[in-house]
Amino acid sequence: GAVVSQHPSWVICKSGTSVKIECRSLDFQATTMFWYRQFPKQSLMLMATSNEGSKATYEQGVEKDKFLINHASLTLSTLTVTSAHPEDSSFYICSARDSGFQGEQYFGPGTRLTVT
Amino acid sequence: DAKTTQPPSMDCAEGRAANLPCNHSTISGNEYVYWYRQIHSQGPQYIIHGLKNNETNEMASLIITEDRKSSTLILPHATLRDTAVYYCIVRVANTGNQFYFGTGTSLTVIP
Repeated sequence: GAVVSQHPSWVICKSGTSVKIECRSLDFQATTMFWYRQFPKQSLMLMATSNEGSKATYEQGVEKDKFLINHASLTLSTLTVTSAHPEDSSFYICSARDSGFQGEQYFGPGTRLTVT
Repeated sequence: DAKTTQPPSMDCAEGRAANLPCNHSTISGNEYVYWYRQIHSQGPQYIIHGLKNNETNEMASLIITEDRKSSTLILPHATLRDTAVYYCIVRVANTGNQFYFGTGTSLTVIP
């Protein structure tokens, strides 16, 4: 089946620093990728939709200047959490839509971010 | 996308069938029913999806009522590794639309 990877799988950073999370589709091309955030004991919440070569579309309430998304190629999207604070500590998950096979989506394994 | 309602938690004895219900009374004619599960601290895993006919694969069976207002995911022989949160989502297929996750059902398989 299609594989989506995320890097890093976990990261700890100091408050005020920026962290970049990568999402890659390993064996298919993805013109669209999605970024989700999940707090402990809560469901996944969609943050933004990332389209290759264009600006991301953010869900209501998500700060686009804080969560920078770049989708520069058909296999890579990045999420940068700028000036991270402890409240940004969360589990970040991406999914990628297969541009070819029926347009189905596949989820990555997630990245655990802890801001100290 | 239509809203879904699932029980917050369920228990199932190991080796028995786990039947997870989902209500989606406002589902539209072109919306599919998808099931994903999430094991602790991992990304969601696709299980199965269907439109109106019952579906079966190596992981589970999906039973959709004739009026399509509800469905049941069946894990025929639950194992401890099936302990996870199960999400029922309705969505128009093959459109690339994003998934909106509800609260899901936390299934605990008991030895």
